[in-house]
Amino acid sequence: QVKLQESGPGLVKASETLSLTCTVSGYSIRNGYFWGWVRQPPGRGLEWIGTAFHVGNNYYNSSLKSRVTISTDSSTNQVSLKLTSLTAADTAVYFCARTSGTTGFFDFWGQGTLVTVSS
Amino acid sequence: SYVLTQPPSVPVAPGQTARITCGGNNIGTKSVHWYQHKPGQAPVLVVYDNTDRPSGIPERFSGSNSGNTATLTISRVEAGDEADYWCQVWDSSSDQGVFGGGTKLTVL
Repeated sequence: QVKLQESGPGLVKASETLSLTCTVSGYSIRNGYFWGWVRQPPGRGLEWIGTAFHVGNNYYNSSLKSRVTISTDSSTNQVSLKLTSLTAADTAVYFCARTSGTTGFFDFWGQGTLVTVSS
Repeated sequence: SYVLTQPPSVPVAPGQTARITCGGNNIGTKSVHWYQHKPGQAPVLVVYDNTDRPSGIPERFSGSNSGNTATLTISRVEAGDEADYWCQVWDSSSDQGVFGGGTKLTVL
């Protein structure tokens, strides 16, 4: 069974950079699939952040593209998210997930991690 | 970018059929995916590519897609189906994924 677990700071300061890690077990990311991030601000809907393939081909939400980087590390079987120039609007639960197929659905998800941006 | 529109809430009595819609321009030409999301839990894929169900998802969950509307149908609704439901597509014009605004299914 594929399992994903997010980790990172629960509290970050505005203007700083958020770094989150997603550790994948039960599947080697070098074997394929895209790996992505989705977030949900408190009381709001899901927002697609982006996906990355283990050998490149990244896709990002156009509204976040200038601030976001998603990368994969096959040696540690981890997926990372970096989001720069944080504001309070970036406060959200961040989920990592595996993207399956050519139509971009997420078939396995982590439990999510809450990130609060403080001023 | 592509916009998906869902009703904020859908009430349904136990044992009845719930239909949750997802509207978008010519959405019938896209592959639509549906997720069930309960508070504090990870979202769960319940329908992908318009009509397919992942293993372990009951046959009570089904999907359809035509024209400008995709629909998730939940038959014989149970109390445990109460959750937020999200539709999602891949927007090839902007090369990014898009989620609908979400629908809260309330079991009366």
